[in-house]
Amino acid sequence: DTGVSQDPRHKITKRGQNVTFRCDPISEHNRLYWYRQTLGQGPEFLTYFQNEAQLEKSRLLSDRFSAERPKGSFSTLEIQRTEQGDSAMYLCASSSGGNKKYFGPGTRLTVT
Amino acid sequence: AQRVTQPEKLLSVFKGAPVELKCNYSYSGSPELFWYVQYSRQRLQLLLRHISRESIKGFTADLNKGETSFHLKKPFAQEEDSAMYYCALSAALNNAGNMLTFGGGTRLMVKP
Repeated sequence: DTGVSQDPRHKITKRGQNVTFRCDPISEHNRLYWYRQTLGQGPEFLTYFQNEAQLEKSRLLSDRFSAERPKGSFSTLEIQRTEQGDSAMYLCASSSGGNKKYFGPGTRLTVT
Repeated sequence: AQRVTQPEKLLSVFKGAPVELKCNYSYSGSPELFWYVQYSRQRLQLLLRHISRESIKGFTADLNKGETSFHLKKPFAQEEDSAMYYCALSAALNNAGNMLTFGGGTRLMVKP
C-alpha cells in the first residue's frame, strides 16, 4: 500500500469549467477528509466522510462544491463553474479512527 | 471556534543552532495538538502529537495550557530539518470524526 493517492496531481482549467478530483484512501481507512490549501496558508477543512456517509461540511464548501464517496472507498470532489478564487491545493486525508491522519500528495488546481 | 497561530512565516538558523518554532492556540475544549511537516516535494506528514510525549527526529513539543502554546523545539538543527512546519489542533466533529485546524505554517531553513 503506497498510502493515500490523488488524481490528477495538477489541473489547469478555465473559469466557468467544471473539474473533478479523485482521492483513494488507504484501503482499511473508513474516514476520509478533504482540505484546501491556498498559497501561504495552512490547510483548511472542507468535508468529512465516514464510510460512504458525508457527515460534516465546512462553510467553506459553497454550493458549487460537491463531494461523494459512493462505496465507502474512493472519493471525488467536484467543483462546478470554477472561479479564480478556487485556485488552491486540494488535499485528501484518511484515517482509521483516532487522530492520526495520512495525507495524499494533493491536487493543485489553477483556474485561469 | 478554534484558532492556531504561528507567528513566524520564516525561521532561518545555522546548522547546529537551537530551533524553536512557535505555536499558540485558542480552543474552548481540551486540545489535542500536533506538528506536521512537509519536506520539499513531499506530502504533509505527522511529526509528533502532544499526547505521545515523544521525541521525533530530535524534536520535542510541550503543551502549555496556561500559555496556550505548543512550541516545537530542537537543540541542534540539521540541514535536513529544512521544511515547512504546521501546527494543528484537533477538534471533534459530530459523528465521531475530528477536523484539524492548521496554523499558517513556518518555513524553517537550516543553513550550512
